[in-house]
Amino acid sequence: GIQVEQSPPDLILQEGANSTLRCNFSDSVNNLQWFHQNPWGQLINLFYIPSGTKQNGRLSATTVATERYSLLYISSSQTTDSGVYFCAGARTGGGNKLTFGTGTQLKVEL
Amino acid sequence: GAVVSQHPSWVICKSGTSVKIECRSLDFQATTMFWYRQFPKQSLMLMATSNEGSKATYEQGVEKDKFLINHASLTLSTLTVTSAHPEDSSFYICSAREAGPSEQFFGPGTRLTVL
Repeated sequence: GIQVEQSPPDLILQEGANSTLRCNFSDSVNNLQWFHQNPWGQLINLFYIPSGTKQNGRLSATTVATERYSLLYISSSQTTDSGVYFCAGARTGGGNKLTFGTGTQLKVEL
Repeated sequence: GAVVSQHPSWVICKSGTSVKIECRSLDFQATTMFWYRQFPKQSLMLMATSNEGSKATYEQGVEKDKFLINHASLTLSTLTVTSAHPEDSSFYICSAREAGPSEQFFGPGTRLTVL
């Protein structure tokens, strides 16, 4: 399977700050997703982004498939953004089986 | 986005008993469903992949006789933890997707505690 490295593992922000989370993959992927796991464990789909750039409100994501990495941008962070962010990818030709990164624990403080 | 449900959301059972967890895709037909396990403070680990009407394929290290998976229809997959023991206590999450390379949608998870 592929290896997925996420950075940073932990991040503390002041409300209103911006941040960038990174995900590196060891192999090419044809499925790449970003999630936010809420305190109850539910995974919220943020982006399905095998390549290119997408934006949704204060969040945006960019995947550079040829260089095997993806970035998640959070702008004007709010306390409700706190939680764990995961990226996950499926290796091309791997049956769409997602391998998850180790996650970024984000805490946004007032 | 598509909706995936899981039932029950939490369950407590005695050691040696079996527990069944249901995963349903509510507004789409899921040709493939996946089962994951997550221990506290850790990431999600894929346990098995199930395709409608065929046997599940298990990841290395996952006991197929202990974790029975059935995907009898395009909207329902079940995971049965047989003869559960305390080390099986975990958060079990299912996901589902339509045909082809596509986005996976996740259920809310089932928290299993084995006493």
